Amino acid sequence: QSALTQPASVSGSPGQSITISCTGTSSDVGGYNYVSWYQQHPGKAPKLMIYEVSNRPSGVSNRFSGSKSGNTASLTISGLQAEDEADYYCSSFTSSTTFVFGTGTKVTVL
Amino acid sequence: EVQLVESGGGLVQPGRSLRLSCTASGITFGDYAMSWFRQAPGKGLEWVGFITSKFYRGTTEYAASVKGRFTISRDDSRGIAYLQMNSLKTDDTAVYYCSKGGQLVRSGRFDYWGQGTLVTVSS
Repeated sequence: QSALTQPASVSGSPGQSITISCTGTSSDVGGYNYVSWYQQHPGKAPKLMIYEVSNRPSGVSNRFSGSKSGNTASLTISGLQAEDEADYYCSSFTSSTTFVFGTGTKVTVL
Repeated sequence: EVQLVESGGGLVQPGRSLRLSCTASGITFGDYAMSWFRQAPGKGLEWVGFITSKFYRGTTEYAASVKGRFTISRDDSRGIAYLQMNSLKTDDTAVYYCSKGGQLVRSGRFDYWGQGTLVTVSS
């Protein structure tokens, strides 16, 4: 199972919106509405930000939103804040009854 | 408050075994799937495997990279999930995290994570 493809880095100024893409195949992202997004600060455990493509766990800011079109899922962060600077990973359930992660995206707040 | 605490990490020689534990509190442990993940130094996240709840027969699945060497089990009476790692390789060096899944594991709703435990495989 190949890793999902994410851009290595995305940056934006405070207050702006950015979007991170996550491209897979019809055997993972395109085949199921089971895409999740995780935020990870250096030295910390991952934090679930989005599950089932577009659902936010309680406590996660509504500045974070998710969507999917075909084999590509996206995470949008609106009103970018300094605390959003972190690594972000997408993940998808697969037709092999396993999970696959994306390559990871480093978000920089300029 | 939900807490997951991993233990059992450390330095181990190639070819040897190690068992990690993940102790949960603040949840009805038996109702949820549990999963293990890892992150090699400076690398991205990798899913290792999961075990479903007894309601879903305690089914296990593993990543290809560990299948046949790693085994996940659970003790619902004690609220502990285990990761038994055999025939360890240097490539298994990573921080290992456990996470609580949803009642339906395929949702990928891993909403609580432990702090991680470092496993170093080296001679």
